[in-house]
Amino acid sequence: GENVEQHPSTLSVQEGDSAVIKCTYSDSASNYFPWYKQELGKRPQLIIDIRSNVGEKKDQRIAVTLNKTAKHFSLHITETQPEDSAVYFCAASYSSGGSYIPTFGRGTSLIVHP
Amino acid sequence: EAGVAQSPRYKIIEKRQSVAFWCNPISGHATLYWYQQILGQGPKLLIQFQNNGVVDDSQLPKDRFSAERLKGVDSTLKIQPAKLEDSAVYLCASSNPERPTQLQETQYFGPGTRLLVL
Repeated sequence: GENVEQHPSTLSVQEGDSAVIKCTYSDSASNYFPWYKQELGKRPQLIIDIRSNVGEKKDQRIAVTLNKTAKHFSLHITETQPEDSAVYFCAASYSSGGSYIPTFGRGTSLIVHP
Repeated sequence: EAGVAQSPRYKIIEKRQSVAFWCNPISGHATLYWYQQILGQGPKLLIQFQNNGVVDDSQLPKDRFSAERLKGVDSTLKIQPAKLEDSAVYLCASSNPERPTQLQETQYFGPGTRLLVL
């Protein structure tokens, strides 16, 4: 089955700095890579995603890059703000039976200091 | 549009007891997921339904866990008997809407059921 490694487990930055979270996956059949943000005690929410036919995607301060050859993808957050503090999860998904089957990373706790 | 609903929100039981969780996905979503999220870890997929058929249940401990989605809408997840290591948040998510304006892949999570097994 798919195996997703996520690093670092904890990331502490100053407000305004950039933050980068990296994930690697093992199954070359994976073709959809979402990123979720989970605030303490709340449900995960999708913040950005990328498909395997795209190398980079950007949405305001958030960007995701994908290297299919190396089987790794990264989340980049620029100009971090205290409200970005949360746990971020990456996932690698492959399509089967009309839907996507995901495997999640263990999460990165991002702390943005004012 | 109403989100994914789950109940109960919290449950405390003793080991060897049984427990059931309920999920109502977003209307029109064909795919329903049950995840187990242990504190400090990412969600682990237990079972995935496409309408009322099982797409993947490879990580479901079938000796004690069961799930059903009889009419392709609501779903229940049962643990019988519960163990201490089952203490976790159980998340339900849905995706794959029929309306073409929404991305098929995007999963929408419910608030989760926090289970504590004593």
